[in-house]
Amino acid sequence: SQTIHQWPATLVQPVGSPLSLECTVEGTSNPNLYWYRQAAGRGLQLLFYSVGIGQISSEVPQNLSASRPQDRQFILSSKKLLLSDSGFYLCAWSVGGTGSTSQYFGPGTRLTVT
Amino acid sequence: QQQVKQSPQSLIVQKGGISIINCAYENTAFDYFPWYQQFPGKGPALLIAIRPDVSEKKEGRFTISFNKSAKQFSLHIMDSQPGDSATYFCAAILTNFGNEKLTFGTGTRLTIIP
Repeated sequence: SQTIHQWPATLVQPVGSPLSLECTVEGTSNPNLYWYRQAAGRGLQLLFYSVGIGQISSEVPQNLSASRPQDRQFILSSKKLLLSDSGFYLCAWSVGGTGSTSQYFGPGTRLTVT
Repeated sequence: QQQVKQSPQSLIVQKGGISIINCAYENTAFDYFPWYQQFPGKGPALLIAIRPDVSEKKEGRFTISFNKSAKQFSLHIMDSQPGDSATYFCAAILTNFGNEKLTFGTGTRLTIIP
């Protein structure tokens, strides 16, 4: 069966510090991968998605970036965090290729920028 | 603009009652409609999903009703239980060259009271 991991689970960082969040998927090959952000009490905002190694599409202009160095690894980064970057970050995967399938979410990382 | 409108924002239902959450979409190109359940501090979990060529899908106490002509769909939770208390998100997927972009509704906070 497929599993998705995210770490760290929680993170408190000062403004201006760098960020690196990691997501890995097990039990599947060539998945589509996604990064979402969820503000408190709000819906989910798609930040980045990737259909393959090194292929990243950005949905929202911001000071965040994403990379996919390996097939089942997705990383969210920032060089300098802003207060507005606080939120709940979720990684998700879906079966690669054409067709309509659902996305499966990881446990999330709670980021607080102070 | 691709949107999915969800209502109500919050819902309180007595134990044993029926919980109903409604969603409406604009883009007729959407081709898959999942519902997610999210508990506090956790990632959303896929609950049930439907394709637009089906008018109803039932899984246990959860039923999706889909009205393609009205561009509306709803989640019904029969015999609601306190353990169903969570935030529910409807979503719609637009498949584009193998990448499924999820558009989420804004969420409904459901509370089941004894």
